[in-house]
Amino acid sequence: QQPVQSPQAVILREGEDAVINCSSSKALYSVHWYRQKHGEAPVFLMILLKGGEQKGHEKISASFNEKKQQSSLYLTASQLSYSGTYFCGTESLDSNYQLIWGAGTKLIIKP
Amino acid sequence: DGGITQSPKYLFRKEGQNVTLSCEQNLNHDAMYWYRQDPGQGLRLIYYSQIVNDFQKGDIAEGYSVSREKKESFPLTVTSAQKNPTAFYLCASSYDNGNEQFFGPGTRLTVL
Repeated sequence: QQPVQSPQAVILREGEDAVINCSSSKALYSVHWYRQKHGEAPVFLMILLKGGEQKGHEKISASFNEKKQQSSLYLTASQLSYSGTYFCGTESLDSNYQLIWGAGTKLIIKP
Repeated sequence: DGGITQSPKYLFRKEGQNVTLSCEQNLNHDAMYWYRQDPGQGLRLIYYSQIVNDFQKGDIAEGYSVSREKKESFPLTVTSAQKNPTAFYLCASSYDNGNEQFFGPGTRLTVL
């Protein structure tokens, strides 16, 4: 039931791009993306809703393939501040419209 | 400033003791949530509440209890029935279900 995130970890140089994927076996209503820095609380990045609506930060881009129940988060021209663990949370009828979280993707940005 | 607070930040407990974690928000949010996070893992939902005086079990509610007597407050009690309570506990709130969740700073509970 837990969505699968890939990759588990990625190391980038500052300025490089990254894609983080989230895949579910359930029919999804929405996908949420959060970033968590070590020892801190998760911070909201974006919500992607079935039907194409998106809510979130302008500098973050993501996609939601409703047919495949997959979402991808695109981090372009990465900055040191992008480091952290990225989590997707999926919302479906099966989960009673509560978020089921992936295990996270750890992103390390090196100068 | 509006926000969500949790206390204490660190908590140590002896086996067999109940302990209550505080969560308060002044964002005027209807929905509140409790999550557990273990090292290297995602968040797992313990309990959630969509309105005052009502709450529902999440995926891992056994050994935990909550109350929602006020809109601003959603305390979590970790009971002695919880077999492995050592973890990082996060409280969150949202305007309503399905919207952006705002998280508190978390409480790290260690059972000695």
